[in-house]
Amino acid sequence: EAGVAQSPRYKIIEKRQSVAFWCNPISGHATLYWYQQILGQGPKLLIQFQNNGVVDDSQLPKDRFSAERLKGVDSTLKIQPAKLEDSAVYLCASSTGTASSYNEQFFGPGTRLTVL
Amino acid sequence: AQKITQTQPGMFVQEKEAVTLDCTYDTSDPSYGLFWYKQPSSGEMIFLIYQGSYDQQNATEGRYSLNFQKARKSANLVISASQLGDSAMYFCASHGGYQKVTFGTGTKLQVIP
Repeated sequence: EAGVAQSPRYKIIEKRQSVAFWCNPISGHATLYWYQQILGQGPKLLIQFQNNGVVDDSQLPKDRFSAERLKGVDSTLKIQPAKLEDSAVYLCASSTGTASSYNEQFFGPGTRLTVL
Repeated sequence: AQKITQTQPGMFVQEKEAVTLDCTYDTSDPSYGLFWYKQPSSGEMIFLIYQGSYDQQNATEGRYSLNFQKARKSANLVISASQLGDSAMYFCASHGGYQKVTFGTGTKLQVIP
């Protein structure tokens, strides 16, 4: 079974530029998560999708971050414009969980973003 | 709002010994799940063990067990017979109502030969 795929693995941009990350979850997983993990901290949930609907985006900085999951499969996370404090690893995860079950998440390798 | 507290930034354990990593949680959700994940230096996040809030028995998965004390709101991870490959960051996480997810700050475990 193929795991969660993410690209790119690394990205270096200058502040005020735009960047996009892509995630392909495990086939059949209805729930998809995007996390931001700053060096030395735990992952912080940015947005959670159930199929192509948003379940939780309470911690997504909506003035600069956006995410979509068209057709309930792949997802993209965009930052426009980037700030220095956006430097972090962006993790994508998927699970078979539903509203009433708590299933483990399978994580992708992450995208390491450096904003100069 | 949910909160996960991991009070041990770093821990050392001798190879083949057991170690306990602490996790306390705070949630108002009547139903929730508690998870532990391992993150080696390579960066990938690996699921270890899960405990449901209504589970009567503590979860076990091979060398991993979860010491769940609901009244104390604690969900400590016990690793038995530590191996060098256990050296990593360990994160406790909770899923609350409609799977609202919160991670702790992590504990860095180092296994000494």
